[in-house]
Amino acid sequence: GAVVSQHPSRVICKSGTSVKIECRSLDFQATTMFWYRQFPKKSLMLMATSNEGSKATYEQGVEKDKFLINHASLTLSTLTVTSAHPEDSSFYICSARFDRGTYEQYFGPGTRLTVT
Amino acid sequence: KQEVTQIPAALSVPEGENLVLNCSFTDSAIYNLQWFRQDPGKGLTSLLLIQSSQREQTSGRLNASLDKSSGRSTLYIAASQPGDSATYLCAVANQAGTALIFGKGTTLSVSS
Repeated sequence: GAVVSQHPSRVICKSGTSVKIECRSLDFQATTMFWYRQFPKKSLMLMATSNEGSKATYEQGVEKDKFLINHASLTLSTLTVTSAHPEDSSFYICSARFDRGTYEQYFGPGTRLTVT
Repeated sequence: KQEVTQIPAALSVPEGENLVLNCSFTDSAIYNLQWFRQDPGKGLTSLLLIQSSQREQTSGRLNASLDKSSGRSTLYIAASQPGDSATYLCAVANQAGTALIFGKGTTLSVSS
């Protein structure tokens, strides 16, 4: 099956700093990637849809200036949390869409962000 | 707006039992439905994907059914094992290639 990686798997940063999370599709090209956020014991909430070569589409309530998304190639999307605050601490998961057939999404292993 | 609900929120069973997890969705016009497994602190593992034209999919001890008209899906796990302990998430895609809408999951605990 298709493999999606995320880096880093865990990151701890100080309040006010920025953190970049990478999402890579390792064995297929993905014109579309999705970024989700998951709070403890909650479901995954879609943050934004990342399209290669164009601006990301953000869900209502997600600050685009705080969560910067770049999808510079068909295999890489990045999420940068700018000026992080403790309330940004969460589990961030990306998925890459296989643009053929079932349009199945393949999920990365997630990144645990802790802001102190 | 599509909403996905999973019942129960938590379930504890002894090893060997057969069990059913339930998922319901408010808008029956879906493209597909997926069941995932999530272990604590980990990402998602896709278990089964059912297209809107299908009624069920099977993989090993897992069987997922889909009744699109009633907005329901079930995940049947046969002969449960302690290794099945995890959170099971149901998600739907309203259209081809759109983002998935997730339920809150059912946390399963299988005791030996």
